[in-house]
Amino acid sequence: GQQLNQSPQSMFIQEGEDVSMNCTSSSIFNTWLWYKQDPGEGPVLLIALYKAGELTSNGRLTAQFGITRKDSFLNISASIPSDVGIYFCAGLESGGSNYKLTFGKGTLLTVNP
Amino acid sequence: DVKVTQSSRYLVKRTGEKVFLECVQDMDHENMFWYRQDPGLGLRLIYFSYDVKMKEKGDIPEGYSVSREKKERFSLILESASTNQTSMYLCASTGTRAQHFGDGTRLSIL
Repeated sequence: GQQLNQSPQSMFIQEGEDVSMNCTSSSIFNTWLWYKQDPGEGPVLLIALYKAGELTSNGRLTAQFGITRKDSFLNISASIPSDVGIYFCAGLESGGSNYKLTFGKGTLLTVNP
Repeated sequence: DVKVTQSSRYLVKRTGEKVFLECVQDMDHENMFWYRQDPGLGLRLIYFSYDVKMKEKGDIPEGYSVSREKKERFSLILESASTNQTSMYLCASTGTRAQHFGDGTRLSIL
């Protein structure tokens, strides 16, 4: 199956720093989703983006749907220790009735207190 | 809030056993999915279903089957478990706009 190119693969930052991660694809998506997964848990939806150019915030998180519909980024401001986890992007291609998502391989975020 | 419930968080089975993983969602979603997650390989789609009694193969269906007898329940079946099926299994369901996951089942095959 198709994969999204998600980067960086991992990040080590100090508490209080801002974080940015992104996903790119050769395919056009009409929906981008960002998830966070804690160890031993299932992914939890953070932000959903439905329109090219859309910028959406959820607390300290901000995500944007790229204007070309082939990319998206997620920013975390003023990171805290509980931000630790794996962040996944996922894209839904246009068309189709069965809602199959394509996932990035994840960004592992470590926050040093 | 959407609730996707997987029947077991941890499961240990033996090679050759038939294994059932159950998933229930409470939001009347039509689409349900089973993934496995392995280090370095990300999330891989095993099977999905877009309606009762309907099923479609995902990217890695070999060694698995599924059952969708009721809209809220989607079962993953390992017909004859093998050690390479040791993994984290994630169920998800989808409404009109986003996909929601269960907490996962960590399955070990000995």
